[in-house]
Amino acid sequence: GNSVTQMEGPVTLSEEAFLTINCTYTATGYPSLFWYVQYPGEGLQLLLKATKADDKGSNKGFEATYRKETTSFHLEKGSVQVSDSAVYFCALSSAGGTSYGKLTFGQGTILTVHP
Amino acid sequence: GAVVSQHPSWVICKSGTSVKIECRSLDFQATTMFWYRQFPKQSLMLMATSNEGSKATYEQGVEKDKFLINHASLTLSTLTVTSAHPEDSSFYICSARDPGRNTIYFGEGSWLTVV
Repeated sequence: GNSVTQMEGPVTLSEEAFLTINCTYTATGYPSLFWYVQYPGEGLQLLLKATKADDKGSNKGFEATYRKETTSFHLEKGSVQVSDSAVYFCALSSAGGTSYGKLTFGQGTILTVHP
Repeated sequence: GAVVSQHPSWVICKSGTSVKIECRSLDFQATTMFWYRQFPKQSLMLMATSNEGSKATYEQGVEKDKFLINHASLTLSTLTVTSAHPEDSSFYICSARDPGRNTIYFGEGSWLTVV
């Protein structure tokens, strides 16, 4: 079955530091990959996604590249802000058909950014 | 603005009572919606897939008689927690697949506390 493994947190950084949160996956076929962010007390927001190998998803300064050869989708940001403090979830969905949208999540990584 | 709305955001109920949570897609028709559960400091676990006009598909280990799902229209799915007990206290969140945008949107989530 599908699985997603995320870098364990929590991750604590100073403002303007570089961020990497590792994510690797196991899936059959060609899944779509996602990063979701959950701010305290809120639901999930889609941060970025990639639907095929070598695609790069980007949003709000965050980037992640779909690497099929290493089955990875690491999240990066060059300069984090205090407002980026949240829980980040890596997820995948089987491509197409009725399974699309049925997400398998990683365990989540708590990011705290200090001023 | 939100494209998937979930209600209520917070609910407290007594043991033995039933609670209904609604998930609405606001600007698209969702033939498929998904219900997840998140325990404190844990990842999201898929409970069931809600299919408009047909029975929901439950994940292994999820009691279908306890977690009743109804998807009676293309914009509304409901999750009813029947005979709730304190161990049902959790964060429940829905998502909907927008076929037009090929994107999955999450609701804001619902915090259920059973006392």
